[in-house]
Amino acid sequence: GQQVMQIPQYQHVQEGEDFTTYCNSSTTLSNIQWYKQRPGGHPVFLIQLVKSGEVKKQKRLTFQFGEAKKNSSLHITATQTTDVGTYFCADGTSYGKLTFGQGTILTVHP
Amino acid sequence: EAQVTQNPRYLITVTGKKLTVTCSQNMNHEYMSWYRQDPGLGLRQIYYSMNVEVTDKGDVPEGYKVSRKEKRNFPLILESPSPNQTSLYFCASSYTGMFTEAFFGQGTRLTVV
Repeated sequence: GQQVMQIPQYQHVQEGEDFTTYCNSSTTLSNIQWYKQRPGGHPVFLIQLVKSGEVKKQKRLTFQFGEAKKNSSLHITATQTTDVGTYFCADGTSYGKLTFGQGTILTVHP
Repeated sequence: EAQVTQNPRYLITVTGKKLTVTCSQNMNHEYMSWYRQDPGLGLRQIYYSMNVEVTDKGDVPEGYKVSRKEKRNFPLILESPSPNQTSLYFCASSYTGMFTEAFFGQGTRLTVV
């Protein structure tokens, strides 16, 4: 079935450093969603990308959708301790199904 | 407050003892689904439902059952739980199956011994 590969699995940064997580698919995606899960919490929707080459920003977070719609990235500028958690991308191409990447666990050292 | 409510939050049970995890949403969403989360594997879909009385298998349906008799409720049933079903379970709902955000419940941590 459709798979979305997400890297890295873990990322440890010092507070103030930047962070990026990447998602890749072997097939074209119709849309991709990003979720954040705080430690001990549940996934919370961040954003959805639909258009080829789309770039969206939310304060220090920048989301990109590749030109071929086969990859996406989430970049956080100047991380803060509140950014700690697991970030998931999810492929919403198939109706009725979100296929999640493995997630990237971000830890931020103060 | 718009929310998805799961119960129980934590459950320890023994192999073979039938259990049900309830899920209820108050947003009048048509689409509901169940996921399990395991380290290194992300979230994998178990079952989903597009509306009342309409359900279908996700990626990992073996050992699970669901029903959708009312729009707001989507219980997950484990008829004969086994240790490999020890996991963190999430219920989610959305307006449709595509292009809309999913709202997740708080999660149910299940341990089968």
